[in-house]
Amino acid sequence: GIQVEQSPPDLILQEGANSTLRCNFSDSVNNLQWFHQNPWGQLINLFYIPSGTKQNGRLSATTVATERYSLLYISSSQTTDSGVYFCAVEQGAQKLVFGQGTRLTINP
Amino acid sequence: DAGITQSPRHKVTETGTPVTLRCHQTENHRYMYWYRQDPGHGLRLIHYSYGVKDTDKGEVSDGYSVSRSKTEDFLLTLESATSSQTSVYFCATQANSYEQYFGPGTRLTVT
Repeated sequence: GIQVEQSPPDLILQEGANSTLRCNFSDSVNNLQWFHQNPWGQLINLFYIPSGTKQNGRLSATTVATERYSLLYISSSQTTDSGVYFCAVEQGAQKLVFGQGTRLTINP
Repeated sequence: DAGITQSPRHKVTETGTPVTLRCHQTENHRYMYWYRQDPGHGLRLIHYSYGVKDTDKGEVSDGYSVSRSKTEDFLLTLESATSSQTSVYFCATQANSYEQYFGPGTRLTVT
């Protein structure tokens, strides 16, 4: 099956810093999504981005499908950005395979 | 986000007992999913549904069954709970625009 690798596994930053999270996948995909799991466990959909670039406030994402990677950018980090960020890609039949996540800690 | 609720939110049960978790959605989404989340394994798909009475297995389906008799409800049943099924269970739905939305999760402990 398709493999999804996220890096770095852990990232600790000061408030106001910028960060880049990476997701590599082993096969071509037509569905890639980014999620944020907050410290209380809630999973929030950030982006559906099988290709191209999208922006939502301080967050943006870029997927280069031909090179099999996606990047999530967080600018001017806030403590509320802390949590785990997951990348997920479709394995077929609308089923997602999740990476192991990047744990982001933003210190005040 | 889609209106997705899960019940119960927390449950402690004994090994060998049956357990049913319920997922309810108000968005009329066709696709629904059950995942489990464990330390070191991320999120793994248990079963999913692509319509009423239409279900299929995911990556970790052994020991679990599902049913979907109505668009809005997707039930996950552990026929005979084991300690290895202690986990956090998430339900999700998929919108027509392909985004998946998650419920709040159910923390299940099997003693």
